[in-house]
Amino acid sequence: GAVVSQHPSWVICKSGTSVKIECRSLDFQATTMFWYRQFPKQSLMLMATSNEGSKATYEQGVEKDKFLINHASLTLSTLTVTSAHPEDSSFYICSALRIQTQYFGPGTRLLVL
Amino acid sequence: DQQVKQNSPSLSVQEGRISILNCDYTNSMFDYFLWYKKYPAEGPTFLISISSIKDKNEDGRFTVFLNKSAKHLSLHIVPSQPGDSAVYFCAVTRNNNDMRFGAGTRLTVKP
Repeated sequence: GAVVSQHPSWVICKSGTSVKIECRSLDFQATTMFWYRQFPKQSLMLMATSNEGSKATYEQGVEKDKFLINHASLTLSTLTVTSAHPEDSSFYICSALRIQTQYFGPGTRLLVL
Repeated sequence: DQQVKQNSPSLSVQEGRISILNCDYTNSMFDYFLWYKKYPAEGPTFLISISSIKDKNEDGRFTVFLNKSAKHLSLHIVPSQPGDSAVYFCAVTRNNNDMRFGAGTRLTVKP
């Protein structure tokens, strides 16, 4: 149990376009989901906490207008990278909270050309 | 995140031996502690956890030890297997919120 999926697994886009990443909890409901970013050879960096039915809470330094988060249901949270630029290229990982444990999706590799 | 430190960036162990991964944290308010395993280009996989009311939790080959007074957490893997080779992250959390990760330790288990 506690399976989390992400779609797409990888995406290449042109600079200036927007990209949407989906995170789904497949076998449980998650009131709270999290979005992380991982830079090469670094640990996971929490970007925001997504709460179902309310606004996401962003970490300091993360632009909420650039990284739009929507948690419309108990099994789905989406992250939209708006007007993507090459510096947004990264590995984005979501997680869903079940009891006291976060279960992670497989990640999405974003490359902005 | 400086609240959680994994001081060994890498560890190499012979197959069959014990692997010990260490983690230190600074805030005594953290009440739940986890270990995750991560392969390249994949999301972390939950391994084992322990709450602050315990000092040991065991699951098969994996045992997590918690020393609250020292603010120290460790993961023991015995016997180590080549398939255990991965990056291991410790994570700490408080009241179900605000999970913080260490920088990770790359474990290599040699056949």
